[in-house]
Amino acid sequence: DQQVKQNSPSLSVQEGRISILNCDYTNSMFDYFLWYKKYPAEGPTFLISISSIKDKNEDGRFTVFLNKSAKHLSLHIVPSQPGDSAVYFCAANRKPGGGSEKLVFGKGTKLTVNP
Amino acid sequence: NAGVMQNPRHLVRRRGQEARLRCSPMKGHSHVYWYRQLPEEGLKFMVYLQKENIIDESGMPKERFSAEFPKEGPSILRIQQVVRGDSAAYFCASSRGQQETQYFGPGTRLLVL
Repeated sequence: DQQVKQNSPSLSVQEGRISILNCDYTNSMFDYFLWYKKYPAEGPTFLISISSIKDKNEDGRFTVFLNKSAKHLSLHIVPSQPGDSAVYFCAANRKPGGGSEKLVFGKGTKLTVNP
Repeated sequence: NAGVMQNPRHLVRRRGQEARLRCSPMKGHSHVYWYRQLPEEGLKFMVYLQKENIIDESGMPKERFSAEFPKEGPSILRIQQVVRGDSAAYFCASSRGQQETQYFGPGTRLLVL
């Protein structure tokens, strides 16, 4: 039962353009969402997060949008740079008291930014 | 300012041997989480510990796997009598408190021959 879904295994964009990575979730108890970036042979690196009380959070070139009614979130990277090439994981967490602190991850989207 | 440290980075074991994976959380972090990643998959939660306590082990296989986070020293994930299906990348994360961001270590890649 995949509670967090990243339906695009890969995405290729040109340097300088926008990268949009998508994530859907099924569990309405999730109230905190995170994006991690992962290079080969390294651990995931935290990028940006958003609480369910917000619909947008921005940090430099990275913006995460949350649409609670559609149970959908997206990560926008503008402008994309070759160093952004990595696997991006969407993760979700449940409310305290509604479960533990475990993160539920999607399978990841491999982003390639071409020079 | 060291991040989450894991060792060894690579571990090779034969079937039936024991594997011990170590994790030292970031300074000031008292919450530790273990995740496993199989090839082409996302990370799957295994266990959540605070000092000397297992808080949630709902993702741990019932047999052969155990975890601890003693008062002193690193957290240990122990796999007894390893089988080929245990081959995976095992990641440790730490956080300062509940519902705080989890920061990941570089992982231990376990290969069972």
